[in-house]
Amino acid sequence: DAGVTQSPTHLIKTRGQHVTLRCSPISGHKSVSWYQQVLGQGPQFIFQYYEKEERGRGNFPDRFSARQFPNYSSELNVNALLLGDSALYLCASSLGPGEYQPQHFGDGTRLSIL
Amino acid sequence: GQQVMQIPQYQHVQEGEDFTTYCNSSTTLSNIQWYKQRPGGHPVFLIQLVKSGEVKKQKRLTFQFGEAKKNSSLHITATQTTDVGTYFCAGQGGGTSYGKLTFGQGTILTVHP
Repeated sequence: DAGVTQSPTHLIKTRGQHVTLRCSPISGHKSVSWYQQVLGQGPQFIFQYYEKEERGRGNFPDRFSARQFPNYSSELNVNALLLGDSALYLCASSLGPGEYQPQHFGDGTRLSIL
Repeated sequence: GQQVMQIPQYQHVQEGEDFTTYCNSSTTLSNIQWYKQRPGGHPVFLIQLVKSGEVKKQKRLTFQFGEAKKNSSLHITATQTTDVGTYFCAGQGGGTSYGKLTFGQGTILTVHP
């Protein structure tokens, strides 16, 4: 069975631009979460979506937004990119939205801002 | 907000030596999960601990959850080169209806053959 798939794998943008990252969860998983991992740090929670609704939001500015589609895939959008947005963006899927759900991570999108 | 601290940041061992990483949360957790991230890879789920004082074993790996459900440890016996990677603890708690994981900074394990 396919795991969590993310696209693109790498992306280079300049300051002020906008970016859209995509994620397809494991088949049967209805919850998708997004994390930002800066080099040398643990992943930081950005959003969780379940059944197309936002269920949780981390401490990120409004430049970050996301949505989930009827097929449970998801997009993360970041506007007005800053140098500090350079990071590995990880998508994780789980069966449901609540606690006690192990997260299955994709390989991530490595975003570089010049 | 909830914070999870993890020590040490780095651990270099000779193959065959033991390894331990410790995790401490600022708040009581509902559960703690452990993940392993190989260099250039993504976090991979290892285990979840839920009960106070719980101990779980996976071959050479032993995981513990503290009595107060605020700390945890991972111990690897007789490390092998395949154990190389970053080990993260990640806590959940606060009675939220969603599954936010708060990760520690991770412990980078290097194993010298």
